[in-house]
Amino acid sequence: GAVVSQHPSWVICKSGTSVKIECRSLDFQATTMFWYRQFPKQSLMLMATSNEGSKATYEQGVEKDKFLINHASLTLSTLTVTSAHPEDSSFYICSARDPIHSEAFFGQGTRLTVV
Amino acid sequence: QQQVKQSPQSLIVQKGGISIINCAYENTAFDYFPWYQQFPGKGPALLIAIRPDVSEKKEGRFTISFNKSAKQFSLHIMDSQPGDSATYFCAASRSDKIIFGKGTRLHILP
Repeated sequence: GAVVSQHPSWVICKSGTSVKIECRSLDFQATTMFWYRQFPKQSLMLMATSNEGSKATYEQGVEKDKFLINHASLTLSTLTVTSAHPEDSSFYICSARDPIHSEAFFGQGTRLTVV
Repeated sequence: QQQVKQSPQSLIVQKGGISIINCAYENTAFDYFPWYQQFPGKGPALLIAIRPDVSEKKEGRFTISFNKSAKQFSLHIMDSQPGDSATYFCAASRSDKIIFGKGTRLHILP
């Protein structure tokens, strides 16, 4: 089946630095990818919708300048957490929808820890 | 409305029993209803999905029942096994968005 690959699976960074997370669709071209944040024992919170070749659409309350999203190709979207702080520590997950079969697949997730 | 309401929040089932998780949605524009299974520290994995033109879909021990008029759908896990212990999310989707339920933590007693 279709696969969405997310990298890295975990990262530890110092407060004030930036971290980039990559999301790749391996078996299909994804014009739209989604970025989620998940707190322990909670559901997935949609942060933004990444559109290939155009600006991302952010959900209410998500800081655009802090969570930079780039969708430069049909198979790659990146999320950059800028000037990370400990409160940004979380599990970040990307998702891509196969436009032909309409099925949505998730990456493995990235555990970000800011120290 | 964009909400997807999922219940119960947690569920304990004996091994071999049937696990049932329910979801309800509000927006009739949704056209795809998947269920995801998530283990700790992993991303959600697509388990089974249904479209509103069918009332039931079965894959192995997993069955989705869909009631379009009531805007409700449910996941049934037959012969539940300890390996099924995980968090399950229902979702309602259209081309530009996927809305998730809050999740159900399922625990199968050995």
